[in-house]
This record gives sequence, C-alpha cells and structure tokens, in this order.
Amino acid sequence: TQLLEQSPQFLSIQEGENLTVYCNSSSVFSSLQWYRQEPGEGPVLLVTVVTGGEVKKLKRLTFQFGDARKDSSLHITAAQPGDTGLYLCAKDGFQKLVFGTGTRLLVSP
Amino acid sequence: NAGVTQTPKFQVLKTGQSMTLQCAQDMNHNSMYWYRQDPGMGLRLIYYSASEGTTDKGEVPNGYNVSRLNKREFSLRLESAAPSQTSVYFCASSDASGAYYEQYFGPGTRLTVT
Repeated sequence: TQLLEQSPQFLSIQEGENLTVYCNSSSVFSSLQWYRQEPGEGPVLLVTVVTGGEVKKLKRLTFQFGDARKDSSLHITAAQPGDTGLYLCAKDGFQKLVFGTGTRLLVSP
Repeated sequence: NAGVTQTPKFQVLKTGQSMTLQCAQDMNHNSMYWYRQDPGMGLRLIYYSASEGTTDKGEVPNGYNVSRLNKREFSLRLESAAPSQTSVYFCASSDASGAYYEQYFGPGTRLTVT
C-alpha cells in the first residue's frame, strides 16, 4: 500500500525553467527523505528533513517540510539537463522507509 | 569503498527457473533491504534485515526468500521465477544507529522472466 502520493507523476520542461514537485501523506511522519534516481542507477539520497516548517537548500534545489508534517515539496530553480531523473520521497517507517511513486523529470536543452 | 554492490547486473530466466541475487555492502551498516521497482510503482520493499541474524517481510514478499549471510551480505532468492517477477531489483543498506534510516542503494539487477 502506497502511503505517499507524489505529484506530478511526470514533468517535461525546458532548461532554465523552475519547477516544484510535491509529496503528500494522510498521516504525520517524523522525517522525510528525498532521493534522485538517474536512468540505469540506484537512488541517491539528496536530503533529510525532520522539523515541521524546515527548509533546506542544496544548490538550486530547495526542500520544504510542511508545518503539519504531512507534506513536503522540492523546488528546482533554473533546471538543467543534469537534473533529469526520478525524484522519490520516502517517509520513516519502523526500521524501514516507505517510498512514494516518484516524479519523473525530463529537462530538455 | 565500493558502497553497495549487486550481482548480476542483468539476468534472463525462463518461467520456473531459480536464481539468487547477491548483495554486499562495505559500510558496516546493520540494516539491509531488497526492493523491486516497476514502472509507475515506485520502490516496493520485498524483505529487510534490521540486523545480522534477523529478516522480516516487506510489502511484497510472496515468491521470494532472503538470507542474511553475515553483516555484509544479504541475498534474495527466487525459487520458481514467474513473469510477474520481471522487474529491477535494488539492494540497499542503512546505519541503524542513525535516526532516519537513510539508505544507500546498489546499481540494481535487471531481471526478465520469459
């Protein structure tokens, strides 16, 4: 059972555009992780957010944890072709993670 | 450090054949995981091992078995492969002493069952 909803499922944009992807849950979670998966490879951890309202920045990527701890967003500024990939959010479960279905991003030159 | 390694990278099986997917990590992590990834389904947990000597079922365990051979190695076995098991399989590990189970993934095994 998927407990994390990600939107949009697919996003195709031009280089230089901004975008936001969302991760939502019906239940509260104590922490949330974002991963990026490039074609043919395994996911790689980008960031962990743990405090309601927290904002973390990683170069052109901005991650926000909702105040109610039930949602998170990832904003990319001035997207580049190297940002192409599958973005996955994951919430903590007991001794394991629960992953969302992912947002597939394609950035064209 | 190699991180998490998986073998083989690609495999084609006929229905009913068996095989074992191997996974090893050199980060001294306590916890290890097996996932499958299908289009539009994200990552679904098959089995996990929170520590050496323990294994637990995940979301989709049917048709699979696992062995935590030692702290480094965690294998996934398909006893009688079925076309529904065509997927990309990822192994991951995490430091259970950390608070958030942040995971490190291997490169994946692409399995086709005909």
